Amino acid sequence: AQSVSQHNHHVILSEAASLELGCNYSYGGTVNLFWYVQYPGQHLQLLLKYFSGDPLVKGIKGFEAEFIKSKFSFNLRKPSVQWSDTAEYFCAVMRFSGGYNKLIFGAGTRLAVHP
Amino acid sequence: DTGVSQDPRHKITKRGQNVTFRCDPISEHNRLYWYRQTLGQGPEFLTYFQNEAQLEKSRLLSDRFSAERPKGSFSTLEIQRTEQGDSAMYLCASSSSVTDTQYFGPGTRLTVL
Repeated sequence: AQSVSQHNHHVILSEAASLELGCNYSYGGTVNLFWYVQYPGQHLQLLLKYFSGDPLVKGIKGFEAEFIKSKFSFNLRKPSVQWSDTAEYFCAVMRFSGGYNKLIFGAGTRLAVHP
Repeated sequence: DTGVSQDPRHKITKRGQNVTFRCDPISEHNRLYWYRQTLGQGPEFLTYFQNEAQLEKSRLLSDRFSAERPKGSFSTLEIQRTEQGDSAMYLCASSSSVTDTQYFGPGTRLTVL
């Protein structure tokens, strides 16, 4: 079945630690890739996106993600996390189908950053 | 710049009742999506509108669910004869055909007792 997999459901880090959240998808063909973040009590916000070009994309708040086509992966990274990065992170794939698009989300990774 | 808005933010209803949710997209966006999110899961696609035309409905959308976007602006999602399994967060997103990037509203949390 076509899917988006996020490897870790819960991650706990101390401030200043480095972060990498895994995301793999199982679709062939052209895809657009996204990371969304949901801070406590807030709605889903776009963190970054990849459509084409440089496979290393930079987003808001110091986040970046690398698209590796051969591995069907789009991992999210941040060199040094802050307490304010505590949130749930969702990877999503946009599939082109019949002229319209929909997002297929992973189950999310809940990140807790301790001071 | 106003984002996507949804109303109500919370709805508690008894099993068997009908409920209706509203979504107001970002004004220049011609595409509108509904998703459902349950605890511990990512959002799941329900349906998609381009302008006023409903172009896709997920198999998750049983015949008790209906969505409209009558003038290509706001949209409503109605659930008839609610069941406890309908309890979830219902999310609305919008995008333009130019950027193809979806922006989400705050959601409506439905609790069916």
